[in-house]
Amino acid sequence: GNSVTQMEGPVTLSEEAFLTINCTYTATGYPSLFWYVQYPGEGLQLLLKATKADDKGSNKGFEATYRKETTSFHLEKGSVQVSDSAVYFCALSDHTGNMLTFGGGTRLMVKP
Amino acid sequence: GAGVSQSPRYKVTKRGQDVALRCDPISGHVSLYWYRQALGQGPEFLTYFNYEAQQDKSGLPNDRFSAERPEGSISTLTIQRTEQRDSAMYRCASSAQGMNTEAFFGQGTRLTVV
Repeated sequence: GNSVTQMEGPVTLSEEAFLTINCTYTATGYPSLFWYVQYPGEGLQLLLKATKADDKGSNKGFEATYRKETTSFHLEKGSVQVSDSAVYFCALSDHTGNMLTFGGGTRLMVKP
Repeated sequence: GAGVSQSPRYKVTKRGQDVALRCDPISGHVSLYWYRQALGQGPEFLTYFNYEAQQDKSGLPNDRFSAERPEGSISTLTIQRTEQRDSAMYRCASSAQGMNTEAFFGQGTRLTVV
């Protein structure tokens, strides 16, 4: 079956540091890949997505590239802010596009 | 509505009681999903609907769990004879059609079974 593995947190960084959150996946076929973010007290929000190999999703300074050869979708940001503190979830959708499989989430804490 | 609305936000119930969790999706969204999230873990798929039709219920853990969306809009997830292991955050999401279109999540219902 499909599965998503992401690095365990918490990840603690100082403001303006470089961020990488690793995500690897196992899936049949050609899934779409997503990063969702959950800010404190809020629901999950789509941060970015990529639907095919070598696509790069980007939003709010975050980027992730769909790497089929390494089955990875690592999240990166060049300079984090305190407001980026949240829990980040990597996810994939199955070939029908109707179900998401999530990783366990990575908590990011950014200190001023 | 402006977003996906779930109610109640918090529910504490005694073991053995039935609970009904409500989801009001974004107006016009065809697809509606239910997920369950244990503390410190990612959401796990329970079931989904297109319009009023339940398309996949493979994630429902057992027959105490059921869901309906009778008019293709509001959905109710019902848990009968609740057990402590049912305690979790229950999340609803809706999308225009399918998860490859952007899915919008509600804030969730935190269920605690005591």
